[in-house]
Amino acid sequence: EIQLQESGPGLVKPSQSLSLTCSVTGYTITSGYDWSWIRKFPGNKMEWMGYISYSGSTNYNPSLKSRISITRDTSKNQFFLQLNSVTTEDTATYYCARYNVYYGSFDYWGQGVMVTVSS
Amino acid sequence: DIQMTQSPASLSASLGETVTIECLASEDIYSNLAWYQQKPGKSPQLLIYYANSLNDGVPSRFSGSGSGTQYSLKINSLQSEDVSIYFCQQNYDSPNTFGAGTKLELK
Repeated sequence: EIQLQESGPGLVKPSQSLSLTCSVTGYTITSGYDWSWIRKFPGNKMEWMGYISYSGSTNYNPSLKSRISITRDTSKNQFFLQLNSVTTEDTATYYCARYNVYYGSFDYWGQGVMVTVSS
Repeated sequence: DIQMTQSPASLSASLGETVTIECLASEDIYSNLAWYQQKPGKSPQLLIYYANSLNDGVPSRFSGSGSGTQYSLKINSLQSEDVSIYFCQQNYDSPNTFGAGTKLELK
């Protein structure tokens, strides 16, 4: 069974960097698909942030392009989100998810981690 | 970015009722639309992909339809476990964008 699990700090100070890890079990992230980060703001708005593909290429939401980086550690079957220069508007629940290109949709999701940006 | 306008924002229905949720895209998305269910405290689960294809394990009371810019999710014979927030998502153009969500409650 494919499972994704986010981890990382729940509180980040303004202007600092937000760093999260997604650990994947049941599927090797270099075998296929795109591995995404999505966030849900208070009030339910959802935003796709970006992905790293099975080959290692990345694609980011232009709204975040100057602040975001998605990388991976294939030896640990993990991928990572770094979001720089955070503000209170980055307070959200962050999900990692598998994007299934054959379905055009996100077919496996982590349970989510809530991140609050506050001093 | 393609804007997804979802309606209604909230919905109250009785057990056994049929409910419909709609999504309007700001341009033609050629059926590149998915629907998700998010139960309280849980992560989103894929229900429907490519507008009308039911994901594995999803009950047949869920169905999707639409084309062009207008899409809908129908739930037949509403069950208590269907209380959730429902989202649409387009993947026709990057970036993927989501509707604002519909909160479904029991009357």
